[in-house]
Amino acid sequence: ELQLVESGGGLVKPGGSLRLSCAASGFTFSDYHMNWVRQAPGKGLEWVSSISYSTSNYIFYADSLKGRFTISRDNAKNSLYLQMNSLRAEDTAVYYCARVLGDYPDWYFDLWGRGTLVTVSS
Amino acid sequence: QSVLTQPPSVSGAPGQRVTISCSGSTSNIGAGYDVHWYQQLPGTAPKLLIFGNNNRPSGVPDRFSGSKSGTSASLAITGLQAEDEADYYCQSYDSSLSGSVFGGGTKLTVL
Repeated sequence: ELQLVESGGGLVKPGGSLRLSCAASGFTFSDYHMNWVRQAPGKGLEWVSSISYSTSNYIFYADSLKGRFTISRDNAKNSLYLQMNSLRAEDTAVYYCARVLGDYPDWYFDLWGRGTLVTVSS
Repeated sequence: QSVLTQPPSVSGAPGQRVTISCSGSTSNIGAGYDVHWYQQLPGTAPKLLIFGNNNRPSGVPDRFSGSKSGTSASLAITGLQAEDEADYYCQSYDSSLSGSVFGGGTKLTVL
């Protein structure tokens, strides 16, 4: 079964750090570009970051997040990561891992995890 | 403020047809980039509904269709059913932002 399972969310104080993980199964992880999308409570979807199937190729971030978030992957472990530093209250959201299809830049997201909630609060 | 503009809500009776618009600009939809659509049922993760402007993934009913013209795109749902009640999002690429962008989302209510 095709599956993405996020983990690592939780409550963190402003200025703190958190590392999210996404475990992939049911497909050849190393063949696909991957992606993080977040959704603040009661709000819409916001693209966060994308990474190509080979880490050395392409990495992209939403402008508002550059410098604070780092996306990475370990194809040997079928895992995607998001290191989040200097967290702010406005980073509070459900973070989704999503698989990418299509030809750049017309990427779209065909497989989504259930998400992991990150709450930034003192 | 989302780069792609969608109406906050639309509604329709069972069996009717509704459309959801997605308005962009010359740096995204108008530049020729594809538009994709997602359905998010309450309390669940988004699901791909339409890709590449007007293509349906396997398993998506043909009641759902997409179109694009100029700087805008639309999602049409015919034969509205109670199970279609959800939030719908458009997505494209924006060359000014060098990344993917989503619309603000549209809540569909089936009356």
